[in-house]
Amino acid sequence: QVQLEQSGAEVRKPGASVKVSCKVSGYTLSELSMHWVRQAPAKGLEWMGGFDPEGGKTIFAQKFQGRVTMTDDTSTDTAYMELTSLRSDDTAVYFCATWDPLVGAFFTFDYWGQGTLVTVSS
Amino acid sequence: EIVLTQSPATLSLSPGERATLSCRASQSVSSFLAWYQQKPGQAPRLLIYDASNRATGIPARFTGSGSGTDFTLTISSLEPEDFAVYYCQLRSTWPFPFGGGTKVEFK
Repeated sequence: QVQLEQSGAEVRKPGASVKVSCKVSGYTLSELSMHWVRQAPAKGLEWMGGFDPEGGKTIFAQKFQGRVTMTDDTSTDTAYMELTSLRSDDTAVYFCATWDPLVGAFFTFDYWGQGTLVTVSS
Repeated sequence: EIVLTQSPATLSLSPGERATLSCRASQSVSSFLAWYQQKPGQAPRLLIYDASNRATGIPARFTGSGSGTDFTLTISSLEPEDFAVYYCQLRSTWPFPFGGGTKVEFK
């Protein structure tokens, strides 16, 4: 069973950056393909990016390319998502998510972190 | 990019009633569609993967069907804990989009 524990809420000013963490337990981060999904207040879910095990690289939604970095610290089994040049419309709950490494379907998210609220406000 | 359109936006029903939720893809996606349930303040929960397979621990009252462009999530008899928002999601094609969601609310 995979468990994902995310860092706490953040408040940033426009133009700043934020880095959200996602600590893995139950498996090692190396065994997983970590992805990030966000949800603006009262809105739907939006895939941001994550590791593509078939292509062997991290891929992103077009709107975030150049502004988001996703990294893994395998020594601590912690994944990070950093978003730069923040705008007010980046205010959202950010989720890390992954699929079961043994039986999961690629890009179908069995496991989710609890979410991290990022508020961008001057 | 493939777009997923869910309907209706809101479904007003009573416990014990049948819920039928629709997800339509802008082009064929074979069976690579998932359904999630989300309650307020919680992360989404995977219900159905690859159109018709129930995820681990999901009750039998949840059924997914469809292929190609038209998909349906059916809840055979609504329990009080089923009132939530439901999303479909495509897993086969970047950028792995989600539908806009259907809210199942108390009538």
